Amino acid sequence: DAGVTQSPTHLIKTRGQQVTLRCSPISGHKSVSWYQQVLGQGPQFIFQYYEKEERGRGNFPDRFSARQFPNYSSELNVNALLLGDSALYLCASSFQGDTEAFFGQGTRLTVV
Amino acid sequence: GNSVTQMEGPVTLSEEAFLTINCTYTATGYPSLFWYVQYPGEGLQLLLKATKADDKGSNKGFEATYRKETTSFHLEKGSVQVSDSAVYFCALMMDSSYKLIFGGGTRLLVRP
Repeated sequence: DAGVTQSPTHLIKTRGQQVTLRCSPISGHKSVSWYQQVLGQGPQFIFQYYEKEERGRGNFPDRFSARQFPNYSSELNVNALLLGDSALYLCASSFQGDTEAFFGQGTRLTVV
Repeated sequence: GNSVTQMEGPVTLSEEAFLTINCTYTATGYPSLFWYVQYPGEGLQLLLKATKADDKGSNKGFEATYRKETTSFHLEKGSVQVSDSAVYFCALMMDSSYKLIFGGGTRLLVRP
């Protein structure tokens, strides 16, 4: 079975631009979470979606938004990019959200 | 708030040495505790977990015991290999929660 897949793997954006990151969960998993991992730090929780509803949000500005589709895949959108948004963005899927989380390989975003 | 503190790295060991990576937590309640490993250029993989006090998680020769009295979950391995070189993250999740709270990570370098 395929694991959690994220796309793209790398991208470079300019300050002020917008970006969309994509995540496909493991088949049968209904929950998707997003984390931001700045270089040299631990991942920070951004969002969790379960059954297409937002279940929780971390301490991130409104420039960050996400959604989950009927097939349980998810998109993370970041508007008005700042240099500080440069990070590895990790997606994790789980069956219900409070069970074991499986992580994708991440999307490396560089803002220049 | 809830938080996780890990010993700072890097930790440099010779092959077959004994490994300990310290992890302590602060939580209002009784969290589940996790160790994740991140190999270069990859996402996070769950290494082991423990869901209640005195539980011992183990996997691939790694062990950690949930110590409520000392609020700790130290990672140990009796004989490390070069292939264990990676960054290790301690994390907690509260009951009925949906997000993982990570420590800052500890880089382990094992030399032949």
